[in-house]
Amino acid sequence: QVQLVESGGGVVQPGRSLRLSCAASGFIFSNYAMHWVRQAPGKGLEWVAVISYAGGNKDYADSVKGRFTISRDNSKNTVYLQMNSLRAEDTAVYYCARRPQGQGLDYWGQGTLVTVSS
Amino acid sequence: DIQMTQSPSTLSASAGDRVTITCRASQSISNWLAWYQQKPGKAPKILIYKASSLESGVPSRFSGSGSGTEFTLNISSLQPDDFATYYCQQYNSYSHTFGQGTKLEIK
Repeated sequence: QVQLVESGGGVVQPGRSLRLSCAASGFIFSNYAMHWVRQAPGKGLEWVAVISYAGGNKDYADSVKGRFTISRDNSKNTVYLQMNSLRAEDTAVYYCARRPQGQGLDYWGQGTLVTVSS
Repeated sequence: DIQMTQSPSTLSASAGDRVTITCRASQSISNWLAWYQQKPGKAPKILIYKASSLESGVPSRFSGSGSGTEFTLNISSLQPDDFATYYCQQYNSYSHTFGQGTKLEIK
């Protein structure tokens, strides 16, 4: 069965960096674009970043552009989110999700909590 | 960037009611719209994609319609399990955006 498992969250000071990982299994990972979506405590969903199936195309929300980098390793079935210059407003649960061509985000991980605090 | 506006923000209803949630896009997105349901502490679950296509396994009381800039999610005959928060999401552009959410509460 399809599984997405995020890891790498934790407490980090403002200005520092963190790398999130999302390990995929149960499907042909290299056939899917992958996304990161976050949710601040008590708030709505915010789309963060996307990477195409081969990794050649990427895009970011304006709120993270220039600070976050999405990447993937299809040999390891893993997508990453490198987060630099973290701010208090980046505090959120971060989810990875896959998107089949022409459809919405059909499978999501359980999320990993990132807390940016001094 | 494409902005998505949902209404209402909160909706109070009773089991058995029919409800409608609206989502408007700031520019045409054709039918590249999905709807999600989220319960507290859980990841979102997709209900509808391509504006009106029901995701496999989702009950038929959920339906979606619309194209261009205006979309609706309808839930006929609310069940106790349906009280949750609902989000629309556009995927017309490479960067996606979500609506702000609609919390469906028990009246």
